[in-house]
Amino acid sequence: DAGITQSPRYKITETGRQVTLMCHQTWSHSYMFWYRQDLGHGLRLIYYSAAADITDKGEVPDGYVVSRSKTENFPLTLESATRSQTSVYFCASTGQGYGYTFGSGTRLTVV
Amino acid sequence: GENVEQHPSTLSVQEGDSAVIKCTYSDSASNYFPWYKQELGKGPQLIIDIRSNVGEKKDQRIAVTLNKTAKHFSLHITETQPEDSAVYFCAALFSNYQLIWGAGTKLIIKP
Repeated sequence: DAGITQSPRYKITETGRQVTLMCHQTWSHSYMFWYRQDLGHGLRLIYYSAAADITDKGEVPDGYVVSRSKTENFPLTLESATRSQTSVYFCASTGQGYGYTFGSGTRLTVV
Repeated sequence: GENVEQHPSTLSVQEGDSAVIKCTYSDSASNYFPWYKQELGKGPQLIIDIRSNVGEKKDQRIAVTLNKTAKHFSLHITETQPEDSAVYFCAALFSNYQLIWGAGTKLIIKP
């Protein structure tokens, strides 16, 4: 199916564990983004990527790692999860900078 | 740094009335201003956008106006319906195809 998909939809993990959130898009969009959304903070940019093998930090990158070996995939890894990383995570993509398309989100709970 | 301010944070209107959400931005070089609607449990979805060479754009009950001199833009929803209830985000395009986001407006349509 065409579009942008995130997995898993829901995830519960323990403090200190590594967890990877997946994002896959089928349009070959150049630009991909990871946001977290918390009550009272709107959308905050974690990392973004302009192309395969090109990534850069956003507003809140600490504690997160990204990679982009293929254009269509942009996984986000929490190396050692903390309770403060409990949030809803959204992936987005765009081909030309206009009109981001968002995934359905991953609700992550760190206990 | 660059920022987008959005007001109000919550807006409650009677069904059938109009709703207006306002945003101001700081980067005078911004030339693209999208609006997103986020329903509960879903990712943000683009509903309308405007570029800096246009002052107003309409799509059925939704319109966006842009005043580049004053650096503000607004979303207008006429004849509001229950399905318009959602959180609305404004944004302004920044460098590297990054969007700077407003904090969001929760729109409540009262029956």
